[in-house]
Amino acid sequence: ETGVTQTPRHLVMGMTNKKSLKCEQHLGHNAMYWYKQSAKKPLELMFVYSLEERVENNSVPSRFSPECPNSSHLFLHLHTLQPEDSALYLCASSRRRGLNEKLFFGSGTQLSVL
Amino acid sequence: GIQVEQSPPDLILQEGANSTLRCNFSDSVNNLQWFHQNPWGQLINLFYIPSGTKQNGRLSATTVATERYSLLYISSSQTTDSGVYFCAVEDDYKLSFGAGTTVTVRA
Repeated sequence: ETGVTQTPRHLVMGMTNKKSLKCEQHLGHNAMYWYKQSAKKPLELMFVYSLEERVENNSVPSRFSPECPNSSHLFLHLHTLQPEDSALYLCASSRRRGLNEKLFFGSGTQLSVL
Repeated sequence: GIQVEQSPPDLILQEGANSTLRCNFSDSVNNLQWFHQNPWGQLINLFYIPSGTKQNGRLSATTVATERYSLLYISSSQTTDSGVYFCAVEDDYKLSFGAGTTVTVRA
């Protein structure tokens, strides 16, 4: 148990569906992250939030929409996804954004887009 | 950005064996972390080690920052050590991950 909880664990959706991934951290951290892990590829950083403010968006398509209502919760809203978006989506948190901070991950949501 | 290369890409071990995983990086860094991803996808932070040597049970890690590499040692491997080991380095206020080493420990 890392203190970062993600739901759902698995998600299957059609290309026209709208769904949301949820992440909650119980560590009192101020920075939260979304990563995408595709088969045979390194983890890719998607979004970074620091004190509820989005500070980084790594050229992610607009069909992915993040939301950070408070420092403990992070959402990733999905709509009109493509089959190539199928991947493991990982949430992480750290005490703050910046150098020398340890990263703690959730268990991920395995997403399949049909 | 910083390039992170891990070797070997795959490693098969007999239970009880020792092994060394390597991470090379292309520029000086202030933050280097090793992670283990178990077969169910959970990523666990093993070490925060921008330089020097640390030990945690059967695992230890050494980073030689001046030569831009880090090593992860697994001693007396167990089947629960199976999974993917990632090295990640700080790159412009974010972590860049290597492609990982997939370790399979056979009973």
